[in-house]
Formats: sequence, C-alpha cells, structure tokens
Amino acid sequence: NAGVTQTPKFQVLKTGQSMTLQCAQDMNHNSMYWYRQDPGMGLRLIYYSASEGTTDKGEVPNGYNVSRLNKREFSLRLESAAPSQTSVYFCASQRDRDSPLHFGNGTRLTVT
Amino acid sequence: QKEVEQDPGPLSVPEGAIVSLNCTYSNSAFQYFMWYRQYSRKGPELLMYTYSSGNKEDGRFTAQVDKSSKYISLFIRDSQPSDSATYLCAMSGGAYSGGSNYKLTFGKGTLLTVNP
Repeated sequence: NAGVTQTPKFQVLKTGQSMTLQCAQDMNHNSMYWYRQDPGMGLRLIYYSASEGTTDKGEVPNGYNVSRLNKREFSLRLESAAPSQTSVYFCASQRDRDSPLHFGNGTRLTVT
Repeated sequence: QKEVEQDPGPLSVPEGAIVSLNCTYSNSAFQYFMWYRQYSRKGPELLMYTYSSGNKEDGRFTAQVDKSSKYISLFIRDSQPSDSATYLCAMSGGAYSGGSNYKLTFGKGTLLTVNP
C-alpha cells in the first residue's frame, strides 16, 4: 500500500529552468494538496484540488501552476524557477473534508 | 493574532519522561483536531485525530481538546528516543463549517528530542 508517492525525491535547478513535481495517490481520495515547508514558516498551502477537474489557489500560489490529471494524480509545475522557491514540497490527499490529510515524503528542491 | 500558535521548542527530555505539547487557536469554527509526527527528511504522518472536545488515548499517546479555552494538547507517556521528531498540530472546521474553514490550518511544529 504505497499511499502518496512523490517524484522526484531531490532536484537541483538553475534559475529560470522549469520542472514538474509529480504526485500520485492510491487511496481513492477526492482531494489533493500541494504544500511547501520552509524553516520557521511551517507548512504553507500552494494549490489544492477539492475534486477531479477542479483546482484552487492556496496561500502562496505565485510562480506555480497545477494540473489534476485524474483522480490519482496531481502535478505541480514551476515555469521559471527562482531561488525563493528552494524548499521542501509535500503533496497530500484527503478522502473528504472531514478527514485528515495523508502526506507523501516530499521533494527537496534547490534553485541556484 | 495567528490562527494557530504552537511553541516551536526545541524541547529536550530524558527517556521515560512525560511530554506535553500544546497548541492554541483563535477560530471557534474548528472542530476537527489532529496531531502529526514528522521525522527528519520525511513527510508528516498522522498520529491522532479527534473531533470536538474531550480526550483520546492510543497507546502512550493522549490527545486532549478543550474547545472552551481553544487549547489542544498531546501527551506522550514513557517517552522513547524513537519519539524524537517534530510534532505538528492541525485543525479544521470540517465540511459544513462555511468559507474556507474546511481547509486544515497547521501549527509550525515543535521539535522534540528524547535523550537515552
């Protein structure tokens, strides 16, 4: 039972490069989320998808785009990476709005 | 005032100690309360999940919610070195709470070290 799987685990980008972070869940959950975690800042919501076919901005969406490809997969794209986007990115899924979140193990991104 | 306040620590205790971790909150719509444990270089994992006020026990862990005081606690009895991690509180209003209250709001986490 894999739960929430994120790829890649680590990535180094140069400023201006683009990349897509992948996330897949096998729990048949309806909602999926992308967070970033920075020292002293806690978890901050970037984007979320309440259900297949819908996406909404969170607290810190600038510089990111998302795609809910199907019920299982939710990707996060950085079109032009900036050093301020150096962070650990977590994907999470949720069965319904009364349920807790289940997290993946993160992607550690460094932008130089 | 931040919606959820959590003392970042760090907190260092000897093995076998009772640990108390706490969060306060300001949004009276919150009624679902969670504690997550996050080991270094891993994602947060759900430890405890409670609804409304009261206590919930699971092995060495007890979660306590006092909605009248807007205060939640996690107690760890007989703490072990393997309990060394960052502990995050989280809370939400649930599906019918209105507005964006259904989304989880997290504390910033408390770093706990249990020394052998």
